[in-house]
Amino acid sequence: NAGVTQTPKFRILKIGQSMTLQCAQDMNHNYMYWYRQDPGMGLKLIYYSVGAGITDKGEVPNGYNVSRSTTEDFPLRLELAAPSQTSVYFCASSYSLRVRDTIYFGEGSWLTVV
Amino acid sequence: EDQVTQSPEALRLQEGESSSLNCSYTVSGLRGLFWYRQDPGKGPEFLFTLYSAGEEKEKERLKATLTKKESFLHITAPKPEDSATYLCAVHAKAAGNKLTFGGGTRVLVKP
Repeated sequence: NAGVTQTPKFRILKIGQSMTLQCAQDMNHNYMYWYRQDPGMGLKLIYYSVGAGITDKGEVPNGYNVSRSTTEDFPLRLELAAPSQTSVYFCASSYSLRVRDTIYFGEGSWLTVV
Repeated sequence: EDQVTQSPEALRLQEGESSSLNCSYTVSGLRGLFWYRQDPGKGPEFLFTLYSAGEEKEKERLKATLTKKESFLHITAPKPEDSATYLCAVHAKAAGNKLTFGGGTRVLVKP
């Protein structure tokens, strides 16, 4: 079972560069999420999607963009990378927003901006 | 604003030394409280969901409890393989039914 798959695992970016973090899920989940995790801090929601073509901002969306063209894929785009975006990024998915539907996480993407 | 605070930040235990982790929360319209385990270099892995005060859930050496203001994760006779970061999160109607996470407790169990 693949679950939620993220690529790349590690990436170093220079200030001002752009990149896309890829995320795919094979559980036929409607909802997908992007979180970032900074040391000692809780996961913060960046963007989420309730289905193909529908996305919305989370707590910390500035500096990021997302798209959802298919149910399976939810890429996160970083434009003009800044040192403040150095973090661990987690993609996640769930069937719905109901509390009884578990959110499943990918293994993370470690991003360093220098 | 919803807040979730976990304590302690870090916990060092000897194998077999039982202890408890705390997750205190202030939210409007709590729908559920979640515990996740996170191993180094990995994503969070779901452990439990608690829905109402007084509820308890168990899994192997872990037991989670919930009151109206906090949740505890009790680790009984821990083993080195219980070493991980334990994350607490709340699912609240006021937050649009999305999760708000605490900062986690890093647990190290030494043999």
